[in-house]
Amino acid sequence: GEDVEQSLFLSVREGDSSVINCTYTDSSSTYLYWYKQEPGAGLQLLTYIFSNMDMKQDQRLTVLLNKKDKHLSLRIADTQTGDSAIYFCAEKGGGSYIPTFGRGTSLIVHP
Amino acid sequence: DTGVSQNPRHKITKRGQNVTFRCDPISEHNRLYWYRQTLGQGPEFLTYFQNEAQLEKSRLLSDRFSAERPKGSFSTLEIQRTEQGDSAMYLCASSLDRDTPAGEKLFFGSGTQLSVL
Repeated sequence: GEDVEQSLFLSVREGDSSVINCTYTDSSSTYLYWYKQEPGAGLQLLTYIFSNMDMKQDQRLTVLLNKKDKHLSLRIADTQTGDSAIYFCAEKGGGSYIPTFGRGTSLIVHP
Repeated sequence: DTGVSQNPRHKITKRGQNVTFRCDPISEHNRLYWYRQTLGQGPEFLTYFQNEAQLEKSRLLSDRFSAERPKGSFSTLEIQRTEQGDSAMYLCASSLDRDTPAGEKLFFGSGTQLSVL
């Protein structure tokens, strides 16, 4: 089956940039997503990228997609303590309506 | 509030009991998804509806689990004879039924946290 892999933890200092990485195995992926989950809450869609793009920028968020290496990253500029959360990468293959999620990366922002 | 609504937020039950959760999707969304999330894991797909039709089920969905969406609006997920391994957060999501970027966005509810004692 399809797999989505992420590192489990990332710790950054407030004001620095954070880069969260994700790899996936499904070469037919059409959409790739980044979701954010705060404690006790559901998932909030942050951004997504179509597979024919290699970059998407939205305010402090930059998504980079390397389709050849099946690698997706999320860069958060000027990371704030409010960015502390779990970030999930997800992918959806062509012809499927079902996104597959990674295990999530816990981002810890310290002063 | 027009977000995805899930009830109850928390459910504590004894092993062997039946439980039912409800999800109210965003009103114009035809697609509805159920996922399960355990501690330290990402959401795992359980089942998917397009309108009232249940189009896909994961092999995770044992015969003790049943989901319905009778009128294509709200959905229920029932677990019969609960086991301790059923303890998890049950998440519902919805999306538009369009083959466009707008239809690719899933909106999640806050989930129902189930604890089986």
